[in-house]
Amino acid sequence: NAGVTQTPKFQVLKTGQSMTLQCAQDMNHEYMSWYRQDPGMGLRLIHYSVGAGITDQGEVPNGYNVSRSTTEDFPLRLLSAAPSQTSVYFCASTRSGKLESPLHFGNGTRLTVT
Amino acid sequence: QQQVKQSPQSLIVQKGGIPIINCAYENTAFDYFPWYQQFPGKGPALLIAIRPDVSEKKEGRFTISFNKSAKQFSLHIMDSQPGDSATYFCAAFQGAGSYQLTFGKGTKLSVIP
Repeated sequence: NAGVTQTPKFQVLKTGQSMTLQCAQDMNHEYMSWYRQDPGMGLRLIHYSVGAGITDQGEVPNGYNVSRSTTEDFPLRLLSAAPSQTSVYFCASTRSGKLESPLHFGNGTRLTVT
Repeated sequence: QQQVKQSPQSLIVQKGGIPIINCAYENTAFDYFPWYQQFPGKGPALLIAIRPDVSEKKEGRFTISFNKSAKQFSLHIMDSQPGDSATYFCAAFQGAGSYQLTFGKGTKLSVIP
């Protein structure tokens, strides 16, 4: 059981480049989300989805785009990378409809924008 | 606006000590309070959680104490071990169907042998 799989593990981009961070889960979870983790800032929600075709913004959505065409996949797109987007990105999923369902996190993508 | 305030930012204890991590919140609509544990290079994982109608919850060496009137909750780790060295995040969750966890900024715990 793979859980939540994120690729790539590491990425270096130049300012202005675009890329997609991949996230896939095999637990048939309805809810998926993206967080960024920065030193001293904790985990901040970027975008989330409660099901295929439904997405919404979190706390820090600017500069990022998402789509949810299948239950399994929830890619995060950086349209024009900026140094401020240097961070560790985590994808997470959980079952919907249950308050105490834990968030299952992937192992993260460490992104550096130069 | 930080909705969940966590302290301290870092903590060093000797093996066998009892580290305590504190969190405070303002939003009384929060109705579920999980703690997540994160090891280097890994994603956070649920450690223990509590609902506001309970004042204390224990799971093994980990205990959450919850003070609803003060809007504060804390994590205690009994008989801490070097393997407990990790970053700990408190979080707050508002309402079933929302699925949006608000995290504290984290506490890096080091347990010295």
